[in-house]
Amino acid sequence: DAGVIQSPRHEVTEMGQEVTLRCKPISGHNSLFWYRQTMMRGLELLIYFNNNVPIDDSGMPEDRFSAKMPNASFSTLKIQPSEPRDSAVYFCASSIQVDYGYTFGSGTRLTVV
Amino acid sequence: KNEVEQSPQNLTAQEGEFITINCSYSVGISALHWLQQHPGGGIVSLFMLSSGKKKHGRLIATINIQEKHSSLHITASHPRDSAVYICAANSNSGYALNFGKGTSLLVTP
Repeated sequence: DAGVIQSPRHEVTEMGQEVTLRCKPISGHNSLFWYRQTMMRGLELLIYFNNNVPIDDSGMPEDRFSAKMPNASFSTLKIQPSEPRDSAVYFCASSIQVDYGYTFGSGTRLTVV
Repeated sequence: KNEVEQSPQNLTAQEGEFITINCSYSVGISALHWLQQHPGGGIVSLFMLSSGKKKHGRLIATINIQEKHSSLHITASHPRDSAVYICAANSNSGYALNFGKGTSLLVTP
C-alpha cells in the first residue's frame, strides 16, 4: 500500500488566492482527518470524516476553510481566500476506525505570501 | 479539553544512551499515541496503547492509566533516532487527538 498520499508537497501562493490541498487515504480506511501544524500551536485537528461524512469540523478556523470528501478515496481541503497566517504544514491522516492507529500523509507545506 | 504535557521539551544524548520522554494528560482517555516526526516533516505512528507496555525494536512505550502518565523509552540510542517525538491522547469520544508540544531529541555520535 502506498500509504496516505497528499498533494502537493509544497505550495506557495499569494494572499487572496484559492488553495486546494488533496488527500488520498489508505484503501479500506473509513476515518479521515485533516490536521494543521504550526510552530506556535503545534498539531491541531481541523476536521474529521467518517464514512465520507464530516463528523466534527469545529477545528476549522473560519469560513475561508472548507473540506469535502466526495468518495472514500479522496478528500480536499480548500482555503479561499488564503492569508499569510494560513501558512503551515497541513497533514491528512486516515484510520481503519477511530480507535485504531493512524497513518499520516507526508504533509503539504503551505506558504502564503 | 485534555491537556497533554510532554517533558523534556528538548533533549540531547550521546549515542548509546538510554532515553526517556514523558507524557502526562489531564482527563481519561481511550488511547495514547506516540508519534515520530523527522526533520523532513513526515509523521510516523510509533505506538498506540491503552494499558501496560508495548515494545518495538529499541523502542518501549508504557502507560499508567491511574497516574495519567506515559513514557517512551529508547534503548541504545542512535543518531538516526534524532527526531521530534509527539505524544497524543484520544479523548473518550474516540476520534479527537489532543497533542503534546513534542520533544525534540538529538542523538550525537
